[in-house]
Amino acid sequence: AQSVAQPEDQVNVAEGNPLTVKCTYSVSGNPYLFWYVQYPNRGLQFLLKYITGDNLVKGSYGFEAEFNKSQTSFHLKKPSALVSDSALYFCAVRDRTGANNLFFGTGTRLTVIP
Amino acid sequence: SQTIHQWPATLVQPVGSPLSLECTVEGTSNPNLYWYRQAAGRGLQLLFYSVGIGQISSEVPQNLSASRPQDRQFILSSKKLLLSDSGFYLCACPFGGAKLFFGSGTQLSVL
Repeated sequence: AQSVAQPEDQVNVAEGNPLTVKCTYSVSGNPYLFWYVQYPNRGLQFLLKYITGDNLVKGSYGFEAEFNKSQTSFHLKKPSALVSDSALYFCAVRDRTGANNLFFGTGTRLTVIP
Repeated sequence: SQTIHQWPATLVQPVGSPLSLECTVEGTSNPNLYWYRQAAGRGLQLLFYSVGIGQISSEVPQNLSASRPQDRQFILSSKKLLLSDSGFYLCACPFGGAKLFFGSGTQLSVL
């Protein structure tokens, strides 16, 4: 069975500091991994994905994520946080078979403090 | 262009009333379609997915049902809403790729 864990419900970081939002996953075989962001009362916006290749994936708005197979992790990172990065972030996983179902974590609310 | 239309954007319904949420997609044919629900303070839960007309798979038992009457139309329904049906409902489609694109969502409040 596929599953995703986001161990932190809330992450607070000062503006200009680096940020990390954690994600670990469980899936049979090699995973597809995704990060999405949700602003208030909005749908989800795609940030980045890992399919294959380089373990460090760069995405939208300066975000990046590192795929670590041994630790089954896919943490989201940004070198310098902006107040506008404050939002709800979701990690998602799917296996490489089946009907493209994505399984989401419970989300992490990021607050960037000015 | 590839677009997901969802309506209505917000809905307030009394307990016991019926529900119909509609999702249509453009820019693709024979897509996989998904309904997700986001309850307040919770993550996203996959409710239903469909790989073709008339084909519906349910991920969790619940008070809701889904139908796919046309290739690019996906409908979420209920005969009698419960308070616990409140949430933010999202339609999604991969448009043939690995990642999912989401509609703008429907905020449902059951009172």
